[in-house]
Amino acid sequence: GENVEQHPSTLSVQEGDSAVIKCTYSDSASNYFPWYKQELGKGPQLIIDIRSNVGEKKDQRIAVTLNKTAKHFSLHITETQPEDSAVYFCAASNDYKLSFGAGTTVTVRA
Amino acid sequence: GAGVSQSPRYKVTKRGQDVALRCDPISGHVSLYWYRQALGQGPEFLTYFNYEAQQDKSGLPNDRFSAERPEGSISTLTIQRTEQRDSAMYRCASSTGGSNTEAFFGQGTRLTVV
Repeated sequence: GENVEQHPSTLSVQEGDSAVIKCTYSDSASNYFPWYKQELGKGPQLIIDIRSNVGEKKDQRIAVTLNKTAKHFSLHITETQPEDSAVYFCAASNDYKLSFGAGTTVTVRA
Repeated sequence: GAGVSQSPRYKVTKRGQDVALRCDPISGHVSLYWYRQALGQGPEFLTYFNYEAQQDKSGLPNDRFSAERPEGSISTLTIQRTEQRDSAMYRCASSTGGSNTEAFFGQGTRLTVV
């Protein structure tokens, strides 16, 4: 099955700085890579996703890059704000089953 | 409703008891998923329904776990003869269907087996 590894497990950044989270996957058949944000007491919420036919996607302060050859993908958050503090999960899928990384706890220091 | 609704939010049960966890997906969503999330980990796939058909139950840990979605809407995950290792957050998600469509997650049911 698919195995997704995520690093780092915790990330502390100064407000206004950038945050980068990296994930690797094992199954070359995976073709969909969503990122979820989970706030305390809530379920994971999709913030951005990328499919294997593109290498980069951007949505305001959030961007995701995908390197299919190396089987890794990354989330970039620029100009971080206190409300960006949360747990972020990467995931990979080739149909309907999402395989998640272990998560990254991001803390934005004011 | 506006989102995926799960009940109860919290469940404490004694070892050996059966529990039933309910999921009410977003109206019109044909696909429904159950995941289990341990503390400090990402969600782990349990099972998947397309309408009322259980298409994949490969993630169910053992035969004490079962799920149904008889009318293609509300789903129930049942754990029989609960054990302490079953303690976790159980999350339901739904999507419009088709390959790799956005999954919307509920707030989950926190199950504690004592």
